[in-house]
Formats: sequence, structure tokens, C-alpha cells
Amino acid sequence: NAGVTQTPKFRVLKTGQSMTLLCAQDMNHEYMYWYRQDPGMGLRLIHYSVGEGTTAKGEVPDGYNVSRLKKQNFLLGLESAAPSQTSVYFCASSLGLSNQPQHFGDGTRLSIL
Amino acid sequence: QKEVEQDPGPLSVPEGAIVSLNCTYSNSAFQYFMWYRQYSRKGPELLMYTYSSGNKEDGRFTAQVDKSSKYISLFIRDSQPSDSATYLCAMTSGGGRRALTFGSGTRLQVQP
Repeated sequence: NAGVTQTPKFRVLKTGQSMTLLCAQDMNHEYMYWYRQDPGMGLRLIHYSVGEGTTAKGEVPDGYNVSRLKKQNFLLGLESAAPSQTSVYFCASSLGLSNQPQHFGDGTRLSIL
Repeated sequence: QKEVEQDPGPLSVPEGAIVSLNCTYSNSAFQYFMWYRQYSRKGPELLMYTYSSGNKEDGRFTAQVDKSSKYISLFIRDSQPSDSATYLCAMTSGGGRRALTFGSGTRLQVQP
């Protein structure tokens, strides 16, 4: 049972380039999330989805877009990468949003030069 | 001021010591509390989950919640080098579409 899988694991981009991070879960969870983790800042919620075809903004949504075309997949897009988006990105999923524990992938380490 | 405060450490202890990790919070509506463990270059994994005030024990781990003081703790007994990781607290008020609020994490090093 893979749980939550993120691809790619590492990526280096140049400023202005675009890319998509993929998250896949096999636990049939309704809710999925994208976080970024920076030193001293903890996990900050970028966007989340409460079901297939739905997305919502989190704490730090600017510069990112997301899509949830299939229940098991949640995509995070950077249209024009900036150095401030250098971070470790984590995807998570849960049965419910409010009081349910979240299950995390192992992250994507993204560097923007 | 952050909603959830957590000392970043690092906290270094000898093997076998009792470890105390803590978080304070400002939102009195929080009532679901979780502790996650994160090894280097890995995602956080759920360690403990508690609702409202009180204690919960699971093996060497005890989670404690004091809502009157807005203070939660994680105790690790007989600490092992394999416990060396970053520990994140997380909490939510529950209901509606409220997501988890995370602390920034405490890095723990258990010396053999």
C-alpha cells in the first residue's frame, strides 16, 4: 500500500519556468492538500480540495494553481516560478477536513534559480 | 504572533532520557490535537491524536492537553536514537472546512 506518492522528488527550475507537481493517493480519501515547508515557518497550506472537481485557497495560495480532475490525484502548478517558491512541497490526504489526521507524502524539493 | 508556538530546538538528550516536547496556542476553539514525527527528508507521520483535554498513552509516548492553559505536551519515555526527528504539533477546532494549524516543529536528537 503506497499511501501518498509525490513526483518528482527533486527539481531545479530557472526563474520564469513552469512546472507541475503530482500527488497520488490510494486510500480513497476525499480530501487532499498541498503544503510548503520552509525553515522556521512550519507547514503552510497552499491549496486544498474537498473532493473531485473542487479546490480552495489555503494560507499562501499566490503564485500557485491546483486541479483535482480525479479523486486520487491532486496537481500543483507553478505558472512562472520565482526564487521565493524555493521550498519543500508536501501533499497530504485525509478522510475528512476538520478533525481527521492527514497522511503525507515524502515531499518534492524544489529549487528556483 | 503565530497561532501555534513551538520551540525549534534542537533538543539533545542521552539515550534513555525522558523527553518533553511542548506547544502553546492562542485559539481557544482548538479541540483536536495531533503530534507528527518527521524524519529527515521524509514526510510527517501521525504519532498521537487526542481530543479535548486529558492524557493519552501509546507505548513510550504520552500526549497531554491542558486547554485551560492552551498548552500541549508530548512525552517520550526511554528515548532511543531512532526517536531523533522533528516533532510537529498540529491542531484544529473541527467542524466546517477548517484545516490543521501546525507548529514549526522541534528537532530532537537522542545521543547513543
